[in-house]
Formats: sequence, structure tokens, C-alpha cells
Amino acid sequence: QVRLVQSGAEVKKPGASVKVSCKASGYTFIGYYMHWVRQAPGQGLEWMGWISPNNGGTKYALKFQGRVTMTRDTSISTAYMDLSRLRSDDTAVYYCLRGEGYSKFDYWGQGTLVTVSS
Amino acid sequence: SHELTQPASVSVSPGQTASITCSGDKLGDKYVCWYQQRPGQSPVLVIFQDDKRPSGIPERFSGSNSGNTATLTISGTQGMDEADYYCQAWDSSNVVFGGGTKLTVL
Repeated sequence: QVRLVQSGAEVKKPGASVKVSCKASGYTFIGYYMHWVRQAPGQGLEWMGWISPNNGGTKYALKFQGRVTMTRDTSISTAYMDLSRLRSDDTAVYYCLRGEGYSKFDYWGQGTLVTVSS
Repeated sequence: SHELTQPASVSVSPGQTASITCSGDKLGDKYVCWYQQRPGQSPVLVIFQDDKRPSGIPERFSGSNSGNTATLTISGTQGMDEADYYCQAWDSSNVVFGGGTKLTVL
């Protein structure tokens, strides 16, 4: 069955960077885009961008351009999201999700809590 | 950028029909998905391409989309349907989520 398993919770200081991983299994990794979405405490879902595991192409939401980098390692079917220059309002649960073209997000990771605090 | 507007909360009695709307400019020209998120859990897809149900989603969940409004309808609402619901659409090559609606079953 399809699974997206994310790395564990992180605590970072303001100004630092965080890298969250998402290991995919149960399907052909390069066949589906991987998206990243975050959710601040008590807030809604915020889309951050996507990566094509096939060719490494990326698209980032305007808000995160210059601070986010999405990469992948096809040899281990893992996608990564790197967010730099962290601020306290970056405290959120970060999700990876499998995207089927311009259609649906049918599988989500379990989420990774990133806490930014001095 | 495209914005999607949802009511903050909707209440429904058990067994009744709940309707959650999602509004956006010419939304009917786009495909809309709906996600259910129970407390402490990852979101789950309940409707895609406006009105299609993934396997495993009960038939009581249905969707429609026309004009500027998409609607998620839950017929015969059960207590287990109490959750946050988010609509989602594509705007060019960007993804947009609605602000979410808390469905209360009381």
C-alpha cells in the first residue's frame, strides 16, 4: 500500500534551517509529484510548493520563494523540504503529499512538527 | 492570487444533511477537491474533480461545483463526520486551499 513516512519533530532557533524528509513506498516514486503543505497551530492548510521526482523540477509558492528548497533522492524514494531563515511563525506541522497531476492529493504523510523558538 | 472562501463553522444534527460551501472567482471553471481533517490527524481526500469519491469514502459524501461556488454535501451526517473540511483548487500551477470549515454534529 502507498505510504509516505516523514522524519521526526524538530526544534530550531530563529534564523536556523530545517530539513524534513518524506520516504515514499508502495508506488513508483517518479510517477507522481510530491507537494508540501504546512499547518500552523489552530490554522488552515498552506501550500508551499511541489517537486517532480522524475526530473527534479520545482514550483514554489510566492511566499516561500528564496527560503524553501525541495529536492529528492530517487535511489531511496525520498523527498526533502528545506526551509531556511526560520522565524517563530514558521512553527507548524509540515506535510508531504502525493499529487496526481493537476488533480488530487490522495496520500498524505503523517506530518512533522517544526517548532521555532529561542 | 486565487482565493477560496469557506464559512468558519457549520452545525448539523445527526442524521441531517450538512452543506459546506467554497467560493471563488469562476471556481466552476476549475476542478475542486475536498479534504477531511479530524483532530490530530492528517487530512484525507473525500471528493476530487468536483464530485468523485475515492474508494473507501462513504456514499453520503457528495460534491458539486458551478459558477463561483463548490459545495460539499454530507447526507445522513454521523458523529464521526465531525471534523475540519478544506476545499482546494488549482490556480495556474499553484495550489490554493480554502480557510477550512469546522463541522459540528450536535
